[in-house]
Amino acid sequence: DQQVKQNSPSLSVQEGRISILNCDYTNSMFDYFLWYKKYPAEGPTFLISISSIKDKNEDGRFTVFLNKSAKHLSLHIVPSQPGDSAVYFCAASASGSARQLTFGSGTQLTVLP
Amino acid sequence: GAGVSQSPSNKVTEKGKDVELRCDPISGHTALYWYRQSLGQGLEFLIYFQGNSAPDKSGLPSDRFSAERTGGSVSTLTIQRTQQEDSAVYLCASRALVLGELFFGEGSRLTVL
Repeated sequence: DQQVKQNSPSLSVQEGRISILNCDYTNSMFDYFLWYKKYPAEGPTFLISISSIKDKNEDGRFTVFLNKSAKHLSLHIVPSQPGDSAVYFCAASASGSARQLTFGSGTQLTVLP
Repeated sequence: GAGVSQSPSNKVTEKGKDVELRCDPISGHTALYWYRQSLGQGLEFLIYFQGNSAPDKSGLPSDRFSAERTGGSVSTLTIQRTQQEDSAVYLCASRALVLGELFFGEGSRLTVL
């Protein structure tokens, strides 16, 4: 049973346009969400996070939106750059048992020059 | 080094052999995690160490898998009698606080022939 789902395995976007990566979760106990980026042959690197007390968090070109009622979060990258091409993983944890992150299956983003 | 270090980076073994994978977390990080990523899959939680507490082994897929963390620092993941389905990238991560981002190593790619 996948508690964190990324239904789009891949996404292609033109350079300069907005990239929107989506993530859905089923566990209502999740209250902390993160996005990680992964290049080939490298470990995932942290990108941005959001707590359930907020519905938006922005860091430069990256913004994460959280819709708790829909159990949905999204990562917006604008403007997209070719160097953003990577696999993006959504992850969630529950502070009551803040032991592990549950990851989605990832979305391969390709930014076309 | 400043980051999470894993060794070996690549390991090819024959079915039935035992393997050991090593992780050096970031100095001072009390939490250490092992995840694995099989081809085309997301990150699967394996085991979690937090300080001197008993580890959370709930993600280990079988009793052929074990891990230890000596002196609250270096961790070794051992897979006994390897099977082809054990082939994956094994990722180690550490975290300084109870909540917050995980810092990942580059992973150990295991191939079982």
